[in-house]
Amino acid sequence: DTAVSQTPKYLVTQMGNDKSIKCEQNLGHDTMYWYKQDSKKFLKIMFSYNNKELIINETVPNRFSPKSPDKAHLNLHINSLELGDSAVYFCASSQGTGPRNEQFFGPGTRLTVL
Amino acid sequence: AQSVTQLDSQVPVFEEAPVELRCNYSSSVSVYLFWYVQYPNQGLQLLLKYLSGSTLVESINGFEAEFNKSQTSFHLRKPSVHISDTAEYFCAVSEGIQGAQKLVFGQGTRLTINP
Repeated sequence: DTAVSQTPKYLVTQMGNDKSIKCEQNLGHDTMYWYKQDSKKFLKIMFSYNNKELIINETVPNRFSPKSPDKAHLNLHINSLELGDSAVYFCASSQGTGPRNEQFFGPGTRLTVL
Repeated sequence: AQSVTQLDSQVPVFEEAPVELRCNYSSSVSVYLFWYVQYPNQGLQLLLKYLSGSTLVESINGFEAEFNKSQTSFHLRKPSVHISDTAEYFCAVSEGIQGAQKLVFGQGTRLTINP
């Protein structure tokens, strides 16, 4: 069984379009995250949700809007896509928000903006 | 804010040779350190972590890391590598911020094993 899943795995789109990436976890965790991995493999947190509430927003442009319909899902919607949005986006989850927790990562969604 | 530096962006080694991947973190009162591994075209998997207690932590596949507070380091080592260890390795420090956990990653080290 997949613990953290993301769809789609690949996403190719034109500049200016709006797209969504979906994330689901079946681990029963209450905290979920979105990370962005750039072309140099650098990973940076974007958002964190706990029990459907936003708790971390790392100065991400407001074209990015996460939505958590329930504790098991955290979707990422991106408006007016730009070339610089091309990256691999990873969803992750953990049980609790403490700094000692292990985060479980999804397989990633490779977004290419043309 | 915490920061992590991985000193080597790429490390090529021969199969069955030992390897050390270096990681230094910025100092803090409470330090929680993680090593994650990313195999090609996959997500990140936890390799090992230091939370407290023994400064030497081990993974199930032969890797170990030592927490060294005086040198603010958490280097990853393996005495004999295999082709299957080829991957990107990320060191991360975890900090609690505004009631949330934030993982701060290093730049990653690409480990390439040559036969």
